Amino acid sequence: DGGITQSPKYLFRKEGQNVTLSCEQNLNHDAMYWYRQDPGQGLRLIYYSQIVNDFQKGDIAEGYSVSREKKESFPLTVTSAQKNPTAFYLCASSINHLGTGGHQPQHFGDGTRLSIL
Amino acid sequence: QQPVQSPQAVILREGEDAVINCSSSKALYSVHWYRQKHGEAPVFLMILLKGGEQKGHEKISASFNEKKQQSSLYLTASQLSYSGTYFCGTERNNNDMRFGAGTRLTVKP
Repeated sequence: DGGITQSPKYLFRKEGQNVTLSCEQNLNHDAMYWYRQDPGQGLRLIYYSQIVNDFQKGDIAEGYSVSREKKESFPLTVTSAQKNPTAFYLCASSINHLGTGGHQPQHFGDGTRLSIL
Repeated sequence: QQPVQSPQAVILREGEDAVINCSSSKALYSVHWYRQKHGEAPVFLMILLKGGEQKGHEKISASFNEKKQQSSLYLTASQLSYSGTYFCGTERNNNDMRFGAGTRLTVKP
């Protein structure tokens, strides 16, 4: 079955440590996204990528980094510069609608819950 | 850049109706609606494109007023399974989806 896999489900970070959240999809989607969700709040866009080897900052990119070396993978690194990393992180993907005239739904992974030790 | 949703929370009895609104200060290409159950990933409900169209999903429908840059989600004859947080996502022209803060819907027996 096609879908998006995020790992790990739970992650703990020590002070000064960088951690990487994995996101893999087998839906053959070009566009991928990372969102942060704080308790009782909406989804805020961290980074998004429309195509391999290209990505753009979202609204809250400071303290995060991404790479898009393969179509299937869009890992997110939470760096030590992110002073308040505790949140629920969601990865999503969609068909890239640019040039096709269609707007496509986003498919979400099950999320990674990150906490500080 | 995030759309504004209202109300923040709604409590209904089974069978009652509700409307959730989503508005943006930016010109939009499309509006998406998602529902998220507690601790789970958001699930796609529907997309509305420019042109004032309406769409439906079971007893849930939505409209998109392009001129006002507003969308409304209508939940008719609500069921217990409708409980969750509803998010609207607004899209301009380059895959840059932005989500509202969400509306928490609780349906009681």
